[in-house]
Amino acid sequence: DQQVKQNSPSLSVQEGRISILNCDYTNSMFDYFLWYKKYPAEGPTFLISISSIKDKNEDGRFTVFLNKSAKHLSLHIVPSQPGDSAVYFCAARATSGTYKYIFGTGTRLKVLA
Amino acid sequence: DTEVTQTPKHLVMGMTNKKSLKCEQHMGHRAMYWYKQKAKKPPELMFVYSYEKLSINESVPSRFSPECPNSSLLNLHLHALQPEDSALYLCASSQVGGDRHNQPQHFGDGTRLSIL
Repeated sequence: DQQVKQNSPSLSVQEGRISILNCDYTNSMFDYFLWYKKYPAEGPTFLISISSIKDKNEDGRFTVFLNKSAKHLSLHIVPSQPGDSAVYFCAARATSGTYKYIFGTGTRLKVLA
Repeated sequence: DTEVTQTPKHLVMGMTNKKSLKCEQHMGHRAMYWYKQKAKKPPELMFVYSYEKLSINESVPSRFSPECPNSSLLNLHLHALQPEDSALYLCASSQVGGDRHNQPQHFGDGTRLSIL
Protein backbone atom coordinates (compact mmCIF):
# COMPACT_ATOMS: atom_id res chain seq x y z
CA ASP A 1 0.00 0.00 0.00
CA GLN A 2 1.75 3.11 -1.28
CA GLN A 3 0.87 5.89 1.18
CA VAL A 4 2.77 8.55 -0.79
CA LYS A 5 2.32 8.64 -4.53
CA GLN A 6 3.85 10.59 -7.35
CA ASN A 7 1.70 9.74 -10.33
CA SER A 8 3.94 11.28 -12.96
CA PRO A 9 7.07 9.18 -13.43
CA SER A 10 8.59 11.82 -15.70
CA LEU A 11 8.23 15.46 -16.69
CA SER A 12 9.94 17.57 -19.37
CA VAL A 13 10.01 21.36 -19.14
CA GLN A 14 11.66 24.07 -21.17
CA GLU A 15 14.40 26.07 -19.50
CA GLY A 16 13.02 29.22 -17.88
CA ARG A 17 9.51 27.86 -17.54
CA ILE A 18 7.78 26.56 -14.41
CA SER A 19 8.14 22.95 -13.30
CA ILE A 20 5.29 21.57 -11.20
CA LEU A 21 5.79 18.24 -9.47
CA ASN A 22 2.87 16.65 -7.68
CA CYS A 23 2.52 14.31 -4.74
CA ASP A 24 -0.56 12.70 -3.16
CA TYR A 25 -0.80 10.96 0.20
CA THR A 26 -3.40 8.88 1.92
CA ASN A 27 -2.51 9.06 5.61
CA SER A 28 -4.17 12.03 7.34
CA MET A 29 -1.74 11.63 10.25
CA PHE A 30 1.21 12.85 8.18
CA ASP A 31 2.31 16.20 9.61
CA TYR A 32 5.60 17.04 7.91
CA PHE A 33 6.41 16.87 4.23
CA LEU A 34 9.69 17.18 2.36
CA TRP A 35 11.02 17.28 -1.17
CA TYR A 36 14.34 15.76 -2.15
CA LYS A 37 16.32 15.89 -5.36
CA LYS A 38 18.46 12.96 -6.43
CA TYR A 39 21.17 12.86 -9.07
CA PRO A 40 22.52 9.52 -10.31
CA ALA A 41 25.18 7.98 -8.04
CA GLU A 42 24.38 10.44 -5.23
CA GLY A 43 22.13 10.33 -2.19
CA PRO A 44 18.93 12.40 -2.02
CA THR A 45 19.51 16.08 -1.29
CA PHE A 46 17.00 17.97 0.81
CA LEU A 47 15.27 20.81 -1.04
CA ILE A 48 12.39 22.19 0.95
CA SER A 49 9.87 21.13 3.57
CA ILE A 50 6.51 22.16 4.94
CA SER A 51 4.71 21.53 8.20
CA SER A 52 1.04 20.63 8.16
CA ILE A 53 0.18 23.90 9.91
CA LYS A 54 1.18 25.82 6.78
CA ASP A 55 -0.07 25.77 3.21
CA LYS A 56 2.93 27.31 1.50
CA ASN A 57 6.66 27.53 1.98
CA GLU A 58 9.08 29.31 -0.30
CA ASP A 59 12.85 29.14 -0.68
CA GLY A 60 14.33 30.92 -3.65
CA ARG A 61 13.16 29.27 -6.85
CA PHE A 62 11.39 26.49 -4.93
CA THR A 63 7.89 26.72 -3.47
CA VAL A 64 5.96 23.90 -1.86
CA PHE A 65 2.18 24.05 -1.58
CA LEU A 66 0.15 21.84 0.75
CA ASN A 67 -3.57 21.18 0.36
CA LYS A 68 -4.52 19.11 3.39
CA SER A 69 -8.15 18.63 2.44
CA ALA A 70 -7.06 17.10 -0.87
CA LYS A 71 -4.05 15.35 0.70
CA HIS A 72 -1.93 16.84 -2.01
CA LEU A 73 1.32 18.73 -2.18
CA SER A 74 3.21 20.20 -5.06
CA LEU A 75 6.66 21.59 -5.73
CA HIS A 76 7.03 24.56 -8.06
CA ILE A 77 10.39 25.42 -9.55
CA VAL A 78 10.58 28.83 -11.20
CA PRO A 79 12.48 29.41 -13.40
CA SER A 80 13.57 25.90 -14.26
CA GLN A 81 17.24 25.40 -15.09
CA PRO A 82 19.03 22.52 -16.84
CA GLY A 83 20.81 21.75 -13.54
CA ASP A 84 17.42 20.98 -12.02
CA SER A 85 17.23 17.82 -14.12
CA ALA A 86 17.08 15.01 -11.56
CA VAL A 87 14.68 12.64 -9.85
CA TYR A 88 12.48 14.37 -7.27
CA PHE A 89 11.03 12.51 -4.30
CA CYS A 90 8.39 13.74 -1.93
CA ALA A 91 8.40 12.29 1.56
CA ALA A 92 6.04 12.42 4.52
CA ARG A 93 6.33 11.73 8.21
CA ALA A 94 3.64 10.67 10.64
CA THR A 95 2.96 12.62 13.81
CA SER A 96 5.54 13.30 16.47
CA GLY A 97 7.11 10.42 18.27
CA THR A 98 8.22 8.65 15.17
CA TYR A 99 11.08 9.17 12.77
CA LYS A 100 9.49 7.09 10.08
CA TYR A 101 9.53 8.79 6.69
CA ILE A 102 7.62 7.43 3.71
CA PHE A 103 8.93 8.29 0.25
CA GLY A 104 6.99 8.68 -2.95
CA THR A 105 7.94 6.83 -6.10
CA GLY A 106 9.77 9.77 -7.65
CA THR A 107 9.40 11.98 -10.72
CA ARG A 108 12.22 12.34 -13.21
CA LEU A 109 12.42 15.99 -14.28
CA LYS A 110 14.20 16.94 -17.47
CA VAL A 111 14.76 20.62 -18.13
CA LEU A 112 15.45 21.25 -21.79
CA ALA A 113 17.88 23.98 -22.78
CA ASP B 1 29.75 17.68 -0.67
CA THR B 2 27.67 15.41 1.50
CA GLU B 3 28.00 15.72 5.29
CA VAL B 4 27.09 12.09 5.75
CA THR B 5 29.90 9.81 4.64
CA GLN B 6 29.30 6.21 3.63
CA THR B 7 31.92 3.57 2.95
CA PRO B 8 32.52 1.68 0.81
CA LYS B 9 30.90 3.24 -2.25
CA HIS B 10 30.65 -0.13 -3.97
CA LEU B 11 30.68 -3.63 -2.55
CA VAL B 12 30.48 -6.98 -4.27
CA MET B 13 30.12 -10.01 -2.04
CA GLY B 14 29.20 -13.65 -2.20
CA MET B 15 26.24 -15.10 -0.38
CA THR B 16 28.44 -16.65 2.29
CA ASN B 17 30.51 -13.55 3.02
CA LYS B 18 30.31 -11.26 6.03
CA LYS B 19 30.82 -7.57 5.41
CA SER B 20 29.88 -4.25 6.99
CA LEU B 21 28.66 -0.92 5.65
CA LYS B 22 29.73 2.17 7.52
CA CYS B 23 28.18 5.60 7.94
CA GLU B 24 29.56 8.64 9.71
CA GLN B 25 28.22 12.12 10.43
CA HIS B 26 29.62 14.98 12.49
CA MET B 27 26.60 17.30 12.50
CA GLY B 28 25.57 16.37 16.03
CA HIS B 29 22.49 14.57 14.76
CA ARG B 30 21.06 12.05 17.22
CA ALA B 31 18.85 10.12 14.78
CA MET B 32 20.39 7.90 12.14
CA TYR B 33 18.73 5.79 9.49
CA TRP B 34 19.35 2.97 7.06
CA TYR B 35 17.37 2.83 3.82
CA LYS B 36 17.40 0.37 0.95
CA GLN B 37 16.72 1.58 -2.57
CA LYS B 38 16.16 -0.62 -5.60
CA ALA B 39 16.34 0.75 -9.13
CA LYS B 40 13.45 3.06 -10.07
CA LYS B 41 11.95 2.67 -6.58
CA PRO B 42 11.79 5.02 -3.59
CA PRO B 43 14.06 4.58 -0.60
CA GLU B 44 12.58 2.09 1.85
CA LEU B 45 13.23 2.54 5.55
CA MET B 46 15.04 -0.33 7.25
CA PHE B 47 16.18 0.90 10.67
CA VAL B 48 16.12 4.04 12.81
CA TYR B 49 18.39 4.78 15.73
CA SER B 50 17.50 7.54 18.14
CA TYR B 51 20.09 8.54 20.75
CA GLU B 52 22.08 5.44 19.81
CA LYS B 53 19.16 3.12 20.54
CA LEU B 54 17.25 1.16 17.92
CA SER B 55 13.79 2.70 17.73
CA ILE B 56 12.43 1.31 14.44
CA ASN B 57 13.08 -2.01 12.72
CA GLU B 58 10.89 -2.36 9.67
CA SER B 59 10.75 -6.15 9.88
CA VAL B 60 14.13 -6.44 8.24
CA PRO B 61 15.56 -10.00 7.91
CA SER B 62 18.14 -10.90 10.52
CA ARG B 63 20.85 -11.23 7.88
CA PHE B 64 21.01 -7.42 8.22
CA SER B 65 22.28 -6.36 11.64
CA PRO B 66 22.55 -2.66 12.51
CA GLU B 67 24.86 -1.20 15.09
CA CYS B 68 25.27 2.31 16.45
CA PRO B 69 28.54 2.38 18.44
CA ASN B 70 28.34 6.11 19.15
CA SER B 71 26.43 9.23 18.15
CA SER B 72 28.49 9.73 14.98
CA LEU B 73 28.68 6.22 13.61
CA LEU B 74 26.20 3.75 12.18
CA ASN B 75 27.09 0.33 10.84
CA LEU B 76 25.14 -2.28 8.93
CA HIS B 77 26.54 -5.79 9.27
CA LEU B 78 25.73 -8.14 6.43
CA HIS B 79 25.79 -11.93 6.51
CA ALA B 80 24.43 -14.61 4.20
CA LEU B 81 22.74 -12.15 1.91
CA GLN B 82 20.64 -13.16 -1.08
CA PRO B 83 20.88 -11.88 -4.66
CA GLU B 84 17.65 -9.91 -4.16
CA ASP B 85 19.44 -7.88 -1.49
CA SER B 86 21.47 -6.20 -4.23
CA ALA B 87 20.54 -2.52 -3.98
CA LEU B 88 21.74 0.94 -3.02
CA TYR B 89 21.97 1.27 0.77
CA LEU B 90 21.54 4.79 2.01
CA CYS B 91 22.38 6.21 5.41
CA ALA B 92 20.77 9.40 6.71
CA SER B 93 20.81 11.48 9.87
CA SER B 94 18.66 14.21 11.39
CA GLN B 95 18.33 16.34 14.48
CA VAL B 96 15.78 15.25 17.01
CA GLY B 97 13.76 16.58 19.86
CA GLY B 98 12.16 19.78 21.05
CA ASP B 99 11.82 22.62 18.60
CA ARG B 100 14.13 20.77 16.21
CA HIS B 101 11.48 18.14 15.63
CA ASN B 102 10.76 19.20 12.07
CA GLN B 103 14.18 18.79 10.61
CA PRO B 104 15.07 17.15 7.32
CA GLN B 105 17.19 14.07 6.92
CA HIS B 106 20.61 14.43 5.39
CA PHE B 107 21.64 11.53 3.21
CA GLY B 108 24.95 10.02 2.28
CA ASP B 109 25.69 8.97 -1.29
CA GLY B 110 25.07 5.34 -0.50
CA THR B 111 26.81 2.01 -0.90
CA ARG B 112 25.94 0.08 -4.03
CA LEU B 113 25.83 -3.54 -3.01
CA SER B 114 25.92 -6.46 -5.40
CA ILE B 115 25.40 -10.03 -4.20
CA LEU B 116 26.79 -12.75 -6.42
